[in-house]
Amino acid sequence: DTEVTQTPKHLVMGMTNKKSLKCEQHMGHRAMYWYKQKAKKPPELMFVYSYEKLSINESVPSRFSPECPNSSLLNLHLHALQPEDSALYLCASSQGQTYQPQHFGDGTRLSIL
Amino acid sequence: DAKTTQPTSMDCAEGRAANLPCNHSTISGNEYVYWYRQIHSQGPQYIIHGLKNNETNEMASLIITEDRKSSTLILPHATLRDTAVYYCIVRAREGTSYDKVIFGPGTSLSVIP
Repeated sequence: DTEVTQTPKHLVMGMTNKKSLKCEQHMGHRAMYWYKQKAKKPPELMFVYSYEKLSINESVPSRFSPECPNSSLLNLHLHALQPEDSALYLCASSQGQTYQPQHFGDGTRLSIL
Repeated sequence: DAKTTQPTSMDCAEGRAANLPCNHSTISGNEYVYWYRQIHSQGPQYIIHGLKNNETNEMASLIITEDRKSSTLILPHATLRDTAVYYCIVRAREGTSYDKVIFGPGTSLSVIP
């Protein structure tokens, strides 16, 4: 069992759909992260939130829109995705200081039709 | 952050020690060595980290050479559940409230019965 919970575990959507991925942690962590992972590749950082403010956007296309409503929740809003966006999307959190290890969820496997 | 190099894949017999090497010859004095692993269909899991002294926890031991140019992660008694991709990451202190981790390709460890 992981302490970072991601929902849904699987998502299939069409290119015109709008959907959201959700991530939740109750460890009091103040930094939260979104990663994208393609098959047989390492995770790639997308966004970092620190104290509920967006700190890093790794040049992610605007069809991905992150949101951090409070310190425990992180959302990733999806709109007009492309087939190449099919991947495992991982959420992570850390205590909010450099060097503190990240805790990962098990991800949402997204398929774009 | 310093670049790391790891073997692409390794095998280890069940019950034997698994020794996973990592080269980080350009590491700076304030950079830590971190290890994560990713079991199939799960998110990455933090294992251990160290600066210059050897470290041990309930999961593994980390041996860092005196010149800090390389390190070895040791799983003392490998089990089938240790089959995973192992990532060696070097992280610099940035004075930030988050941890920007860049994953390399890692080592795919297969534990053989």
